[in-house]
Amino acid sequence: ETGVTQSPTHLIKTRGQQVTLRCSSQSGHNTVSWYQQALGQGPQFIFQYYREEENGRGNFPPRFSGLQFPNYSSELNVNALELDDSALYLCASSGQEVYNEQFFGPGTRLTVL
Amino acid sequence: GDSVTQMEGPVTLSEEACLTINCTYTATGYPSLFWYVQYPGEGLQLLLKATKADDKGSNKGFEATYRKETTSFHLEKGSVQVSDSAVYFCALVPSNTGKLIFGQGTTLQVKP
Repeated sequence: ETGVTQSPTHLIKTRGQQVTLRCSSQSGHNTVSWYQQALGQGPQFIFQYYREEENGRGNFPPRFSGLQFPNYSSELNVNALELDDSALYLCASSGQEVYNEQFFGPGTRLTVL
Repeated sequence: GDSVTQMEGPVTLSEEACLTINCTYTATGYPSLFWYVQYPGEGLQLLLKATKADDKGSNKGFEATYRKETTSFHLEKGSVQVSDSAVYFCALVPSNTGKLIFGQGTTLQVKP
């Protein structure tokens, strides 16, 4: 059974640029959630996708957007990057019910200069 | 809104000492409660969970009991090891949602 994978591992961008982060969910999981973890803080919920539809969103501006594909993999897109977007971005997948245990990937470390 | 508060760290203990990391929560309804652990350079791993009042979650010698009357879910271990050094996050999932709400994390350092 393959776990949750994320790419890239690290990324450096400059202010104003756009970035796309990718996540492959664990086999058999149809729900993907994205979290932002600033240094020294707990992860903050960005949004969740269930069967290719957005299923809940946290307190993040519209320049944070996402997609889920038919194979349940997912992308997180961030436009007009700001310095405060520098963080570890975590993807988590879960099973048939959205409340199930969430399995996290290793994260993508984004640095905005 | 729903929230989780954890004791501030870092917590530094000697090997074989007892551990308690306090966690309290605010939530409407009946949330599920979780402890996640983040080892250096790794992603989050679920340590244990409890889905209703008075449930006790346990794993790898760690335990936590869902106390609705005190809105708490304190993490305990009777004898810590150096390998337990990590950041521990208390979290909840509100009723009828799938989003995790995390506390700020507590760093545990265990010295030999």
